Amino acid sequence: LAKTTQPISMDSYEGQEVNITCSHNNIATNDYITWYQQFPSQGPRFIIQGYKTKVTNEVASLFIPADRKSSTLSLPRVSLSDTAVYYCLVDPGNTGKLIFGQGTTLQVKP
Amino acid sequence: DVKVTQSSRYLVKRTGEKVFLECVQDMDHENMFWYRQDPGLGLRLIYFSYDVKMKEKGDIPEGYSVSREKKERFSLILESASTNQTSMYLCASSNPTGKNEQFFGPGTRLTVL
Repeated sequence: LAKTTQPISMDSYEGQEVNITCSHNNIATNDYITWYQQFPSQGPRFIIQGYKTKVTNEVASLFIPADRKSSTLSLPRVSLSDTAVYYCLVDPGNTGKLIFGQGTTLQVKP
Repeated sequence: DVKVTQSSRYLVKRTGEKVFLECVQDMDHENMFWYRQDPGLGLRLIYFSYDVKMKEKGDIPEGYSVSREKKERFSLILESASTNQTSMYLCASSNPTGKNEQFFGPGTRLTVL
């Protein structure tokens, strides 16, 4: 499974757009890029997945450049409730296994 | 609404005790997983199962075993609990098709004294 690297922590203020970048230099052709969100005292939950270019849903956008060696999770106009740990994962899709790593702890301040 | 439940939110055991952590999912998922989460180490995979009576080791299986006798239930067993197994334990389930989304339970915080 390809290894991912993302910042350990980030701070932001309410109303700002937050971009979290993840690098995955060894991503394979069949791998998908997936992001999970974990609030304190809860298990992680899936928020978005993509293969290339841009994916958007009601929670976030995911930008993936053509070489797919990195990806950026974008959270528009964050609020205090977006304070959480965000995990970037590379998913080969054929084993069921996921490697979570440490994630990025996002702290949103008022 | 999809649901993964774990038998306890908090558990305190003594060193050497045998500990059972139970996980049940109601989504008819084939895959089930046990992770532990520790500060600074993220989530680490202990064991997973692709089917009833099937199990595979994850990254840190030492000191643990698992049981999956029914599709909806996946048990994590600490044969002889030790203080270094004090941790948050998270169970998850998924289907092997589609986007491979894992659904997590609320976690069990285990303290071994």
